[in-house]
Amino acid sequence: DAGVTQSPTHLIKTRGQQVTLRCSPISGHKSVSWYQQVLGQGPQFIFQYYEKEERGRGNFPDRFSARQFPNYSSELNVNALLLGDSALYLCASSLSLQGAGDQETQYFGPGTRLLVL
Amino acid sequence: QQQVKQSPQSLIVQKGGIPIINCAYENTAFDYFPWYQQFPGKGPALLIAIRPDVSEKKEGRFTISFNKSAKQFSLHIMDSQPGDSATYFCAARVFGNEKLTFGTGTRLTIIP
Repeated sequence: DAGVTQSPTHLIKTRGQQVTLRCSPISGHKSVSWYQQVLGQGPQFIFQYYEKEERGRGNFPDRFSARQFPNYSSELNVNALLLGDSALYLCASSLSLQGAGDQETQYFGPGTRLLVL
Repeated sequence: QQQVKQSPQSLIVQKGGIPIINCAYENTAFDYFPWYQQFPGKGPALLIAIRPDVSEKKEGRFTISFNKSAKQFSLHIMDSQPGDSATYFCAARVFGNEKLTFGTGTRLTIIP
């Protein structure tokens, strides 16, 4: 079975630009979460979507937005890029919302490495 | 408090040894504690997870020990191998919330 896939794998942008990152969850998974991982640190939660609705938001500015499509894939958008947005952006999917036993396990994709110059 | 504190930052162990990575938390609402393994250029992969109603869980060579009263949990890797060299993250989650709060990571190196 295919795991979580993300595109692109790498991206270079300049300050002020906008970027869109894409994620396809594991087949059958309805929940998608986005995390930012700065080099040398643990992932930080950005958003969670379930059944196309936002279910959670981390402590990130409004420049960050996301959406989930009817096929459960998701996009993360970041506007007005700053140097500090350079990071590995991770997408994770799970079968359902947490509390459903093993179905709540989050599976991470390989990430998109964003470099802002 | 949502923080999860992880130590040590880095660890070097000889092959066959038992590296131990520790995590501590403050938020008593956390009810799910997974450990993730991450290799360079890859996303984190779930190793093992525990809930606070048990004190220990084993899966293969990986063991989580959980001390609810001390609000601490740790990962032990038995018979460590060079292929275990990776960064390990502990994490925690509050019941009813999908958000995982990660520790800062431990860079583990297993030397032959």
